[in-house]
Amino acid sequence: SAVISQKPSRDICQRGTSLTIQCQVDSQVTMMFWYRQQPGQSLTLIATANQGSEATYESGFVIDKFPISRPNLTFSTLTVSNMSPEDSSIYLCSVELGRGTDTQYFGPGTRLTVL
Amino acid sequence: QKEVEQDPGPLSVPEGAIVSLNCTYSNSAFQYFMWYRQYSRKGPELLMYTYSSGNKEDGRFTAQVDKSSKYISLFIRDSQPSDSATYLCAMRETSYDKVIFGPGTSLSVIP
Repeated sequence: SAVISQKPSRDICQRGTSLTIQCQVDSQVTMMFWYRQQPGQSLTLIATANQGSEATYESGFVIDKFPISRPNLTFSTLTVSNMSPEDSSIYLCSVELGRGTDTQYFGPGTRLTVL
Repeated sequence: QKEVEQDPGPLSVPEGAIVSLNCTYSNSAFQYFMWYRQYSRKGPELLMYTYSSGNKEDGRFTAQVDKSSKYISLFIRDSQPSDSATYLCAMRETSYDKVIFGPGTSLSVIP
């Protein structure tokens, strides 16, 4: 299993600012993912954070808006840039312990409100 | 049509009841099916994982997959107040593909 922590747990931000969310895992993992969870909607994959290379973004998400870093096998950050109220959501970090394994472990999430 | 559909609820049942949670999907290529439980203000945690069609039982939980109908179910026997949470179905084509989640069903088990 994996224990995942996220910082901050919640934040209230002003329109036009940026917020960086940190994800720390207690063991080295191959795959790290960032999801968005909006009320009443499915968990939506934003991107796969690749160690040592650029993140792979899903359709509808771009690097300029959601830059991601993955400096090592236990840590990643997601930045939500130039925020608008539509970015208000829960952002979740997730990991798979090995490529092609069947289990994803999730962090507790970061609850973001943009005013 | 959304790829994965799930009745959002909320579903409210008395303690001890049998709960049935369901999802339908449109992509016949899905082969891996999961159920996650998410407590309020927590991340999802994996409950059940099945490959292809059939049943899988784990304690009070039973997962069923009917690929011919593109329909999956999670049954909870002898439901407890601690089962009160949102249940997310999820699926993927192969173990290397991204996971597609349903929107979740909110369950309340009343003592």
